[in-house]
Amino acid sequence: ILNVEQSPQSLHVQEGDSTNFTCSFPSSNFYALHWYRWETAKSPEALFVMTLNGDEKKKGRISATLNTKEGYSYLYIKGSQPEDSATYLCAPSRGSTLGRLYFGRGTQLTVWP
Amino acid sequence: NAGVTQTPKFQVLKTGQSMTLQCAQDMNHEYMSWYRQDPGMGLRLIHYSVGAGITDQGEVPNGYNVSRSTTEDFPLRLLSAAPSQTSVYFCASRNTGTATDTQYFGPGTRLTVL
Repeated sequence: ILNVEQSPQSLHVQEGDSTNFTCSFPSSNFYALHWYRWETAKSPEALFVMTLNGDEKKKGRISATLNTKEGYSYLYIKGSQPEDSATYLCAPSRGSTLGRLYFGRGTQLTVWP
Repeated sequence: NAGVTQTPKFQVLKTGQSMTLQCAQDMNHEYMSWYRQDPGMGLRLIHYSVGAGITDQGEVPNGYNVSRSTTEDFPLRLLSAAPSQTSVYFCASRNTGTATDTQYFGPGTRLTVL
């Protein structure tokens, strides 16, 4: 078991606001971190896979950073839109556990028009 | 490519019944896994497979069985259903067991055990 914390648990923002959330995980034996976007009644959709300390990934208005030394990753959404409403999951992996992903409980984002 | 497919989408069972949740992928992925998702919990790993003929337990394996006779298919068997197994089940696959590969999820099976 790996203790993965995501904060905040939920977030409500207005359309156009920029927002960010955090994924915290034990830094020891870190291997990779996955971010997923999960819309209601659908399946999780991969956003990023990150491996290196200082890594930054970007996909449209969504970007993520990674700090493996202190054990956290930030996900940023610039100019949130109602279609960004979803639960955002992070899942780190440790080198010792055959590629197993440990999922956090997610941050539920609601963007109001 | 259909990606990862799961059947059925919905299922209602009575306590003690058995059934198999089907999962298939057409991407020739080596690594497949089953998760359950419960309210207030993260996705929890039930079983996984790193290739045909190789399976292993995840975090919550009790009450479930798996086998992997082909690369494409990874069925999950509920041996004697219990109300605690009411959940949404997701199958996932990725190219290899390496955690740097993107993992793809199926659409899920919503199971209710009465």
